[in-house]
Amino acid sequence: SQKIEQNSEALNIQEGKTATLTCNYTNYSPAYLQWYRQDPGRGPVFLLLIRENEKEKRKERLKVTFDTTLKQSLFHITASQPADSATYLCATGFQKLVFGTGTRLLVSP
Amino acid sequence: NAGVTQTPKFRILKIGQSMTLQCAQDMNHNYMYWYRQDPGMGLKLIYYSVGAGITDKGEVPNGYNVSRSTTEDFPLRLELAAPSQTSVYFCASSYSTGEDQPQHFGDGTRLSIL
Repeated sequence: SQKIEQNSEALNIQEGKTATLTCNYTNYSPAYLQWYRQDPGRGPVFLLLIRENEKEKRKERLKVTFDTTLKQSLFHITASQPADSATYLCATGFQKLVFGTGTRLLVSP
Repeated sequence: NAGVTQTPKFRILKIGQSMTLQCAQDMNHNYMYWYRQDPGMGLKLIYYSVGAGITDKGEVPNGYNVSRSTTEDFPLRLELAAPSQTSVYFCASSYSTGEDQPQHFGDGTRLSIL
């Protein structure tokens, strides 16, 4: 089955900077990758989906890239705000989603 | 627009007790899922259902049971609670299954077994 790896260390950045989070997969190349946001005490919320043949996908201040050569997806938040502080999960998998452990983002004012 | 509703939000059980975690969705989704989330371990799939009357095991099904009598409801049953089942449980639903189908999550049930 697919294995998803995300940096378990928290990412601390200053407000206004761009946050970049990494998601690596280790087995077969997925056709899609999904990104979710999870706030403390809440369930994950779907943010973006990127297809294998899409190099980049944007939604407002969010940007996701998909590099099948590196087996990696990058998740960018531009002009970050303290309200962006949360844990971000990536997920993929045929028929059943496999989730990464998530990376916690802390944006300081 | 409720989405996925889980009850209770918190519960403390004694070892050996039983309980049912409730999950309901109002989006008419066929697919429903139960996950557990432990610190640093990510979401692990316990059971899933592709429609009323059809359920299947996920990655960590031991100690749990499910049923799906309606499209809306997907309860998770713990028969003999054990400390290893202390976790946060999330229910999710999706219109279909696959890598391109977003899942909609409830806000979880925090369960402690003492």
